[in-house]
Amino acid sequence: AQSVTQLGSHVSVSEGALVLLRCNYSSSVPPYLFWYVQYPNQGLQLLLKYTTGATLVKGINGFEAEFKKSETSFHLTKPSAHMSDAAEYFCAVSDWVTGFQKLVFGTGTRLLVSP
Amino acid sequence: NAGVTQTPKFQVLKTGQSMTLQCAQDMNHNSMYWYRQDPGMGLRLIYYSASEGTTDKGEVPNGYNVSRLNKREFSLRLESAAPSQTSVYFCASSVTGTLGTEAFFGQGTRLTVV
Repeated sequence: AQSVTQLGSHVSVSEGALVLLRCNYSSSVPPYLFWYVQYPNQGLQLLLKYTTGATLVKGINGFEAEFKKSETSFHLTKPSAHMSDAAEYFCAVSDWVTGFQKLVFGTGTRLLVSP
Repeated sequence: NAGVTQTPKFQVLKTGQSMTLQCAQDMNHNSMYWYRQDPGMGLRLIYYSASEGTTDKGEVPNGYNVSRLNKREFSLRLESAAPSQTSVYFCASSVTGTLGTEAFFGQGTRLTVV
């Protein structure tokens, strides 16, 4: 079965600093990978996804992620953090079982942004 | 656009009580899902419905039942609630269950079982 590991349950940055959230995947087949964001008391919203093609994927709110097969990684980055980026971020991978896709989520990383 | 709507948003149950969590989507999606979110464990799939008329177990189905009432609605039932079912429950939907398809989430139901 496919899985993802998110390193660091909490990441703290200052406003304007680089954001780096780490995700490593385990997959026996070419993976389809996702990053979702959850703002307080809300549901999950898709930030970006990698299916095939370009390995650098751009998403909403200035986030991007790079698929690196050699490192089995899909880390999320943003050059300059904003206070509004404070949220929980989930990496997910597609698991294909009995002809149906199920998303398998990591444990999440809470991003804290200080002034 | 309403997207995925869940009711209720909050609920407190006593151990042994039953309840049904409701979910409806207005995006004409074929596939629907129920997840639970617990601290440090991310989201875990309870049940899913690939299409109208079908339901299947996910990773943590014990203690739950589901009904795909029609294409729009997918409900989750707790027959006899237990404290271990205290969690935040999310309903989601997607166009299909094909690889790479994104899921759209509701705002969640926060359930406490005392």
